[in-house]
Amino acid sequence: DGGITQSPKYLFRKEGQNVTLSCEQNLNHDAMYWYRQDPGQGLRLIYYSQIVNDFQKGDIAEGYSVSREKKESFPLTVTSAQKNPTAFYLCASSTPVGLYNEQFFGPGTRLTVL
Amino acid sequence: AQSVTQPDIHITVSEGASLELRCNYSYGATPYLFWYVQSPGQGLQLLLKYFSGDTLVQGIKGFEAEFKRSQSSFNLRKPSVHWSDAAEYFCAVGPTLLGGGNKLTFGTGTQLKVEL
Repeated sequence: DGGITQSPKYLFRKEGQNVTLSCEQNLNHDAMYWYRQDPGQGLRLIYYSQIVNDFQKGDIAEGYSVSREKKESFPLTVTSAQKNPTAFYLCASSTPVGLYNEQFFGPGTRLTVL
Repeated sequence: AQSVTQPDIHITVSEGASLELRCNYSYGATPYLFWYVQSPGQGLQLLLKYFSGDTLVQGIKGFEAEFKRSQSSFNLRKPSVHWSDAAEYFCAVGPTLLGGGNKLTFGTGTQLKVEL
């Protein structure tokens, strides 16, 4: 079945540590996205990538980094510079710009800083 | 800049009653509009989308939405709510221009509670 997988489902981090969240898709989509979700704030865009080896900052990129070495994969690293990393993180993918840009979402990763 | 407003943070309806969730958007051109649903601890699932054409859009699970350009609205409706519809609902607007990138702007969501 085609879809988006995120791992792990739950992640615990000590302060000062970097952690990497995995996102993989087999939908053959060119574009991928990372969102952060906090209660009452909806989804906020962290980074997005429209093509392999290229990505752009979203609205809240500070303290995060990404890579896009393969079409199928778009890992997100939450660095120690992110002051409030505890949140629910969602990965999404979509067809290229210019076509229908419906986004498909993964099941999410809940990150908790201890 | 584009924006989406969902004025109702929480809504409670009785099972079997009708439902309308409000969504207003701000966008310079004809937008792409979406409604997504999220169950607790899960990802988002697309309910329906509007790109062009008929302004009344049918979606999954018996939901529909109507695009009203004059009111900049895209309200979600269901004639008879089921207990399993309890979830959070997000409205989103997307760009239609290549220069805007392939980004969506989401509202802050409406939490739906269904009373049995």
